[in-house]
Amino acid sequence: SQQGEEDPQALSIQEGENATMNCSYKTSINNLQWYRQNSGRGLVHLILIRSNEREKHSGRLRVTLDTSKKSSSLLITASRAADTASYFCATDGGSGNTGKLIFGQGTTLQVKP
Amino acid sequence: DVKVTQSSRYLVKRTGEKVFLECVQDMDHENMFWYRQDPGLGLRLIYFSYDVKMKEKGDIPEGYSVSREKKERFSLILESASTNQTSMYLCASSSPTGYVWQPQHFGDGTRLSIL
Repeated sequence: SQQGEEDPQALSIQEGENATMNCSYKTSINNLQWYRQNSGRGLVHLILIRSNEREKHSGRLRVTLDTSKKSSSLLITASRAADTASYFCATDGGSGNTGKLIFGQGTTLQVKP
Repeated sequence: DVKVTQSSRYLVKRTGEKVFLECVQDMDHENMFWYRQDPGLGLRLIYFSYDVKMKEKGDIPEGYSVSREKKERFSLILESASTNQTSMYLCASSSPTGYVWQPQHFGDGTRLSIL
């Protein structure tokens, strides 16, 4: 079952602008992760935020987590054409120690040069 | 860097054939996963394995089976391929560390077409 829902489904911006993607989920979680997928390739892990964290940074990426609203956002600052990809959030669904993740349907980001 | 290798990038098979998709990881990870990815449906978990010879059903196991005889290799088997199994198949692995989930590492996928 799909837990995460990304919003918007598609986003098109100019190079240099910021891109914000949102993710909502339904159950309690231990952590939430964001992944990127370039066209025709596998997913690549970007960042993990734990349920007791509210914000995390990695380079041009900023992730926030609001467990009371069951939502997270991914901000990419100063976007580049190479950031064009699909972005997925994934949660553990609060489940046991299996490492299993539940992925959302993704946001497709296009960054125009 | 972790490397997850899927045996084929593209595969074309016929309805009714038995199809094997192979996945190998080189980081001694305990957990391995098979997903299928379809437009508008995101990634859906087919099966996963948390140890050699151990397997658990995911969300959509019907029509599939798996085999994990060695820690580094996780095979997905389509017992009798059907056209609705045409999809992108992704393999992933991860290492469990208590409740601090480690990221999953993905292969580049196998785009399977069933004719």
